[in-house]
Amino acid sequence: DAGVIQSPRHEVTEMGQEVTLRCKPISGHDYLFWYRQTMMRGLELLIYFNNNVPIDDSGMPEDRFSAKMPNASFSTLKIQPSEPRDSAVYFCASTAGGSSYEQYFGPGTRLTVT
Amino acid sequence: AQSVTQLGSHVSVSEGALVLLRCNYSSSVPPYLFWYVQYPNQGLQLLLKYTTGATLVKGINGFEAEFKKSETSFHLTKPSAHMSDAAEYFCAVSRFGNEKLTFGTGTRLTIIP
Repeated sequence: DAGVIQSPRHEVTEMGQEVTLRCKPISGHDYLFWYRQTMMRGLELLIYFNNNVPIDDSGMPEDRFSAKMPNASFSTLKIQPSEPRDSAVYFCASTAGGSSYEQYFGPGTRLTVT
Repeated sequence: AQSVTQLGSHVSVSEGALVLLRCNYSSSVPPYLFWYVQYPNQGLQLLLKYTTGATLVKGINGFEAEFKKSETSFHLTKPSAHMSDAAEYFCAVSRFGNEKLTFGTGTRLTIIP
């Protein structure tokens, strides 16, 4: 299995631009999570889905952030407009559910907003 | 609400020495506890997990952790450190196994040759 796939791996954009991060979970996994990692705040959950339905979006910072999961094999995290404080590494993770509990993380997208 | 405290943001041990990384949790319900490792510029990888049952949990790469409810702790240990263990280690908790993880702030482990 290829694991969780994220694209792009690096993104540099200017303040005010729209940014879209993409994630392909492991096939057969029912849960998908978006986390953000920064020096100041550490690792924090933004949102997670179960069977393509958002379950908890309490970590989404503000209306500038949105996430979708149109099908079981694809999710996007969009920031519009982007701000320098959004600079971070964004991780996508997936898990099969049941009694596995292990979340498999993608390699992350390093976002820099100038 | 769940929370995790990792004591020591940086830990250095000599190669071959005992590794001990500390984690204390707060949870309103019986917790699910995890240790993840992150190598530079990579995602996180699960080392081990506690869900129910045996309180001493063995993981990959020779690591183990013991769930101590009375101390609300889940410390990570390895008897003999190897150079390849140098990485950042995160303790995490969830209320239910397949919901969001709440992470500690991480401990960067350095191995001294």
